Amino acid sequence: DAGITQSPRYKITETGRQVTLMCHQTWSHSYMFWYRQDLGHGLRLIYYSAAADITDKGEVPDGYVVSRSKTENFPLTLESATRSQTSVYFCAAEGRAKNIQYFGAGTRLSVL
Amino acid sequence: QKEVEQNSGPLSVPEGAIASLNCTYSDRGSQSFFWYRQYSGKSPELIMSIYSNGDKEDGRFTAQLNKASQYVSLLIRDSQPSDSATYLCAVSIQGGSEKLVFGKGTKLTVNP
Repeated sequence: DAGITQSPRYKITETGRQVTLMCHQTWSHSYMFWYRQDLGHGLRLIYYSAAADITDKGEVPDGYVVSRSKTENFPLTLESATRSQTSVYFCAAEGRAKNIQYFGAGTRLSVL
Repeated sequence: QKEVEQNSGPLSVPEGAIASLNCTYSDRGSQSFFWYRQYSGKSPELIMSIYSNGDKEDGRFTAQLNKASQYVSLLIRDSQPSDSATYLCAVSIQGGSEKLVFGKGTKLTVNP
């Protein structure tokens, strides 16, 4: 698998604060993805990246910003956190086989 | 909007029985199909991939694909309590830049 590390594992913040969730892969896989998982909604794609400096919106991008200056890192930033962004966030990377995604351990974010 | 539908369950089977999980998808152009297993509080883990019509077997798991009916299934033979988890169906999007659409998952409980 891609050896994906997410940090922090748990985060509590307040509404209006900026929060950055980190994602690092040990391999140089091209595609990386950010999902949120909520009860009743399943996994929803926030943003994805095909390579360094190439990013695109997914299904639920509002309120989030991503960057990818290096292939191995794909941080997700909540510019001004809202309670509706309380969720579990998963980073994933595509492995050597097309479309097969491997997931990090996730970040559980609570916005108070 | 590409959709993947799964019965939310919960599906409960006795130990040793066959568990049958089903998934339908809306994108006729989809080419890649996956089953992920997610234990409570953990990240999704790939257990099966299937790309062509028919059956694919891996140990106690069999994935079945019928593109004409836009239907994917997962059979778990000799179910074990350790199989108790939520199973996510994921489908690639035609021309979708390696993106996957996930179903909301079916929660399976295997009773000893």
